[in-house]
Amino acid sequence: GDSVTQTEGLVTLTEGLPVMLNCTYQSTYSPFLFWYVQHLNEAPKLLLKSFTDNKRPEHQGFHATLHKSSSSFHLQKSSAQLSDSALYYCASNNAGAKLTFGGGTRLTVRP
Amino acid sequence: GPKVLQIPSHQIIDMGQMVTLNCDPVSNHLYFYWYKQILGQQMEFLVNFYNGKVMEKSKLFKDQFSVERPDGSYFTLKIQPTALEDSAVYFCASSLRSISNERLFFGHGTKLSVL
Repeated sequence: GDSVTQTEGLVTLTEGLPVMLNCTYQSTYSPFLFWYVQHLNEAPKLLLKSFTDNKRPEHQGFHATLHKSSSSFHLQKSSAQLSDSALYYCASNNAGAKLTFGGGTRLTVRP
Repeated sequence: GPKVLQIPSHQIIDMGQMVTLNCDPVSNHLYFYWYKQILGQQMEFLVNFYNGKVMEKSKLFKDQFSVERPDGSYFTLKIQPTALEDSAVYFCASSLRSISNERLFFGHGTKLSVL
């Protein structure tokens, strides 16, 4: 079956530094990829998702590029903000709206 | 923005008892989901539901589990009887459509503790 791997469980960095959260996937087909973010005491919500036409999705300064050759959808931001501290989930979907989630990466941004 | 509400936020129950988790999905959404997250592990799909029927369920959706949404009220997950391994956070989600790039709206989750 499908699987999603997020190699880092915890990432801590200083405000202003670049962010990169890894996500790789395994699927028989070419799935759509998503990043969901969960801030403290909030529900998980969609941050961004891949497009069918290979455009690079962007939202709130974050972007991710779907690389089918390496089965990756890494999340990046040029400059971390304190408010970016949250739990980030990568997920894939190749049928219906049933998501397969990675283990999540907890990002902590320090002043 | 649209919100999914889950009631209660935390439920403590003795093993063997029945529990019902309630979800109030986004009002115009047609597809409903439950995901299970055991502490320290990833969220895993349990079931999706449309037009009064289970569309798909995973192997985690045991015979003791059932879902329903009577007359457009709460979308519920019932576990009867509960087991220790049912302890987890259960997330409800809803969506307008059921296509591969559809956005899901999640609730905050209900933490179920089975003693």
